[in-house]
Amino acid sequence: GENVEQHPSTLSVQEGDSAVIKCTYSDSASNYFPWYKQELGKRPQLIIDIRSNVGEKKDQRIAVTLNKTAKHFSLHITETQPEDSAVYFCAASKPMDSSYKLIFGSGTRLLVRP
Amino acid sequence: GAGVSQSPSNKVTEKGKDVELRCDPISGHTALYWYRQRLGQGLEFLIYFQGNSAPDKSGLPSDRFSAERTGESVSTLTIQRTQQEDSAVYLCASSRDRGGETQYFGPGTRLLVL
Repeated sequence: GENVEQHPSTLSVQEGDSAVIKCTYSDSASNYFPWYKQELGKRPQLIIDIRSNVGEKKDQRIAVTLNKTAKHFSLHITETQPEDSAVYFCAASKPMDSSYKLIFGSGTRLLVRP
Repeated sequence: GAGVSQSPSNKVTEKGKDVELRCDPISGHTALYWYRQRLGQGLEFLIYFQGNSAPDKSGLPSDRFSAERTGESVSTLTIQRTQQEDSAVYLCASSRDRGGETQYFGPGTRLLVL
């Protein structure tokens, strides 16, 4: 089955710097890749997603890139702010499955230092 | 409209007891998912419901776990004879349909088995 690996497990950056989180997936049939942000004690919130028919997607300070050949995708946060501090999860799914279950990475704890 | 809701928000139980967790999906969402999140870890898929189709139970960790959903409404996740390793946050998510893919999460039920 699908396996998603996520790195780094923790990331500390200075406010205003950029942060990059990387994920790799194993199943080449996967074609949907969302990123979720989870603040302490709260539910995961979708922040951006990308489908396999595009290589990059941007939404203000957040961007995601996808390399289908290498089977990896990355989250880029520019001009980081303290409120970006949270745990970020990548995930992958493939619609050919009987369900659209998401297979999640293990998470990256991002700390933005003021 | 209202988001995904779950109850109870917290549940403390003794080892060996049964527990029932409830999820109310977003109105109109036909797909419903249950995930488990152990402390400091990523989300693990448990079960998926889509309309009146047979559920995808491939993620249920043992036969002590079961779930039901009537039509496109409320779902309940039941854990029988709870064990300490069942302690986790149980998250429910819903999406508009199988092709919609974007999953919206509830706040979760934090289960502690003593």
